[in-house]
Amino acid sequence: SQTIHQWPATLVQPVGSPLSLECTVEGTSNPNLYWYRQAAGRGLQLLFYSVGIGQISSEVPQNLSASRPQDRQFILSSKKLLLSDSGFYLCAWSRQGATEAFFGQGTRLTVV
Amino acid sequence: EDQVTQSPEALRLQEGESSSLNCSYTVSGLRGLFWYRQDPGKGPEFLFTLYSAGEEKEKERLKATLTKKESFLHITAPKPEDSATYLCAVQATTSGTYKYIFGTGTRLKVLA
Repeated sequence: SQTIHQWPATLVQPVGSPLSLECTVEGTSNPNLYWYRQAAGRGLQLLFYSVGIGQISSEVPQNLSASRPQDRQFILSSKKLLLSDSGFYLCAWSRQGATEAFFGQGTRLTVV
Repeated sequence: EDQVTQSPEALRLQEGESSSLNCSYTVSGLRGLFWYRQDPGKGPEFLFTLYSAGEEKEKERLKATLTKKESFLHITAPKPEDSATYLCAVQATTSGTYKYIFGTGTRLKVLA
């Protein structure tokens, strides 16, 4: 069966510090990978998606970047965090050509 | 513009009191409609995928239905453990196969 791991679960970082959130998927190959941000009372906002190694598409211009160094690894980064980067970040995957996506447990990021 | 609207925003039910959650969508072409359950501080858990009008899916006390303009999540004789936020999402043929459009969810509270 397939599993998705996302860490850390919670993170408190000072403004201006760097960020690295990691997500890995097991039990499948060549998945589509996604990073979402969820704000309270709002829907999930797609930040980045990737259909293969080194292929990243950005949906919203912002202070964040994503990378996919390996087939089942997806990383969300920032060089300098802003207060507005606080939120709940979710990694997800889907099979190529399939429809439903499966989510990790999320990372609660608080920038102070 | 592709859009998903969920109602009500919040719902309180007594244990055993059946009800329905609504998801209205506007898309140029529907590739799939998805229901998720999200517990506080956790990632969304996949429940159902519906592809075409008239389709129905069931899982325990939950039943999802789909028409050309909306989907309903029927909860029969709910229990306190059904308390969660229920998210609806669509994937449109015109938005690319990688984009999911999420509603803001319905927060369900089932009282014992």
